[in-house]
Amino acid sequence: KAGVTQTPRYLIKTRGQQVTLSCSPISGHRSVSWYQQTPGQGLQFLFEYFSETQRNKGNFPGRFSGRQFSNSRSEMNVSTLELGDSALYLCASSLLRNTEAFFGQGTRLTVV
Amino acid sequence: GDSVTQMEGPVTLSEEAFLTINCTYTATGYPSLFWYVQYPGEGLQLLLKATKADDKGSNKGFEATYRKETTSFHLEKGSVQVSDSAVYFCALQYSGGGADGLTFGKGTHLIIQP
Repeated sequence: KAGVTQTPRYLIKTRGQQVTLSCSPISGHRSVSWYQQTPGQGLQFLFEYFSETQRNKGNFPGRFSGRQFSNSRSEMNVSTLELGDSALYLCASSLLRNTEAFFGQGTRLTVV
Repeated sequence: GDSVTQMEGPVTLSEEAFLTINCTYTATGYPSLFWYVQYPGEGLQLLLKATKADDKGSNKGFEATYRKETTSFHLEKGSVQVSDSAVYFCALQYSGGGADGLTFGKGTHLIIQP
């Protein structure tokens, strides 16, 4: 059974640009959550999608957004990138909401 | 709000030593508790979990007991190996809808020397 797949693995962007990250959950899993990991703030919850609807959102500005498709694949978008957005972005999939989460390897975003 | 506190380290031990990584939490309700492990360049892997007070989670020689009276979930292993070197995260999560995903501690960097 394939795990959680995140693409791309690495990304370098310039300040002011926007970026889209992709996450394919484990087959059959309907919930996808996103987390930001930085050395200073640690792991922080970004948002959760279930049945194509955003169910919860963490304390992040509106520049961070996402969506989920009918096949449960999810994308997150960050607009007007800032240097502080440099981080490892982790996607986690769960069978249902707030059940055991399985993480992908992450996308490392560097903003220059 | 809810929070998780753990020693950040690095914690350096010799192979075959006994390991304890402390984790305490603050929660308004009755969450499930987790330990995740992150190897260099990788995502998070679930190591073990406990869903209610006095439950003991165990996996790969690691153990942790959900202690409601002390709001703790300390991770222990009797004899560590070099391959256990990684960053360990303690986390809590509420079951059911309406919760904000996993709340993580800052992580503890564990280094095992041969």
